[in-house]
Amino acid sequence: EDKVVQSPLSLVVHEGDTVTLNCSYEVTNFRSLLWYKQEKKAPTFLFMLTSSGIEKKSGRLSSILDKKELFSILNITATQTGDSAVYLCAVSQGGSEKLVFGKGTKLTVNP
Amino acid sequence: KAGVTQTPRYLIKTRGQQVTLSCSPISGHRSVSWYQQTPGQGLQFLFEYFSETQRNKGNFPGRFSGRQFSNSRSEMNVSTLELGDSALYLCASSGLWETQYFGPGTRLLVL
Repeated sequence: EDKVVQSPLSLVVHEGDTVTLNCSYEVTNFRSLLWYKQEKKAPTFLFMLTSSGIEKKSGRLSSILDKKELFSILNITATQTGDSAVYLCAVSQGGSEKLVFGKGTKLTVNP
Repeated sequence: KAGVTQTPRYLIKTRGQQVTLSCSPISGHRSVSWYQQTPGQGLQFLFEYFSETQRNKGNFPGRFSGRQFSNSRSEMNVSTLELGDSALYLCASSGLWETQYFGPGTRLLVL
């Protein structure tokens, strides 16, 4: 059965801290791995990763994929209270638009 | 470009009723996928459509159905509603094999 596992499930940090969120997967016919941020509404797209070892970066957020070890990490540096959200990891498979989601990591950034 | 739109945004129904939810994808996107999000199960794939054809279906009972029109707009229908169908229903659109972008969702409450 295809599965995506995120850890930790919950994280509380102080503003300015750096956090690392983990995502491991076991799926057939892997195509890409995606990260989304969800506040109390629809998930918003952060990154799509298809190749191992190539870091994607957007401001204070960055992500990398390891297709050999079947995992990805999402790093957030100098966290701000606006980073508080649930971060979702999803994997797509060849031949389908279906996304298999992890349960998410709930990040709380305290001032 | 306008984002994915979903109507209605909120819905209250009683057990045994049926409901139809609507999704308009981003202009130019021909692929539409539907997901159910609940606190216990997270985001689960319902089905995906491309050019009016259902290409993939998740593990949900036959009470859940959908369709896509020639303008790529999509509807999903749930018949004989059960309490457990209370959830946030999310629609996502994409170009073929591209990043999926989510709409704001329809929050369904079944009483």
